[in-house]
Amino acid sequence: GQQLNQSPQSMFIQEGEDVSMNCTSSSIFNTWLWYKQDPGEGPVLLIALYKAGELTSNGRLTAQFGITRKDSFLNISASIPSDVGIYFCAGQVGETSGSRLTFGEGTQLTVNP
Amino acid sequence: EPEVTQTPSHQVTQMGQEVILRCVPISNHLYFYWYRQILGQKVEFLVSFYNNEISEKSEIFDDQFSVERPDGSNFTLKIRSTKLEDSAMYFCASSESVRFGSPLHFGNGTRLTVT
Repeated sequence: GQQLNQSPQSMFIQEGEDVSMNCTSSSIFNTWLWYKQDPGEGPVLLIALYKAGELTSNGRLTAQFGITRKDSFLNISASIPSDVGIYFCAGQVGETSGSRLTFGEGTQLTVNP
Repeated sequence: EPEVTQTPSHQVTQMGQEVILRCVPISNHLYFYWYRQILGQKVEFLVSFYNNEISEKSEIFDDQFSVERPDGSNFTLKIRSTKLEDSAMYFCASSESVRFGSPLHFGNGTRLTVT
């Protein structure tokens, strides 16, 4: 089945630093999504990308949909302690919202004040 | 902001018992989903549901699993005879429409522990 390779697995940074994480796949996805998960909670949508090459920002977050449709990155600028959590990329192959999401393994982010 | 709500937050059951996990999707949403996350692992798709029937299911969603929308607001996942390996967080999600670009919104999950 579809697989997403997400890296890095974990990051330890100082408050104020910028962060970058990415996902790659051997197959094409039509939608890329980035979610954040806090302990004991469900994934919360951060950014959704629908077109190859699309670059989208949400506050301090910026994400891009790779031109090949096989990768995406998420950048967080000027990190703050509440950025701590697990970040997941997710892709959809199907062309409707009902098709399944395939999730990456997650990037555990730790921000030291 | 509207939320997907799930109950209970934690369910402990003995192997072989039946469990029902409950979800109330966002009220104007039409697509409903169940995903699960084994501790420390990634989130995995189980099933999607639209117009009162399953639209897609994964290899994990075998005959032990079933879903139902018993009324206009609830969406349930039933596991008929639980196994130890069913222990996981189960997340319900919903999306507004089938229109491309309608993202999933997740609930906070039910932690299922099978002993």
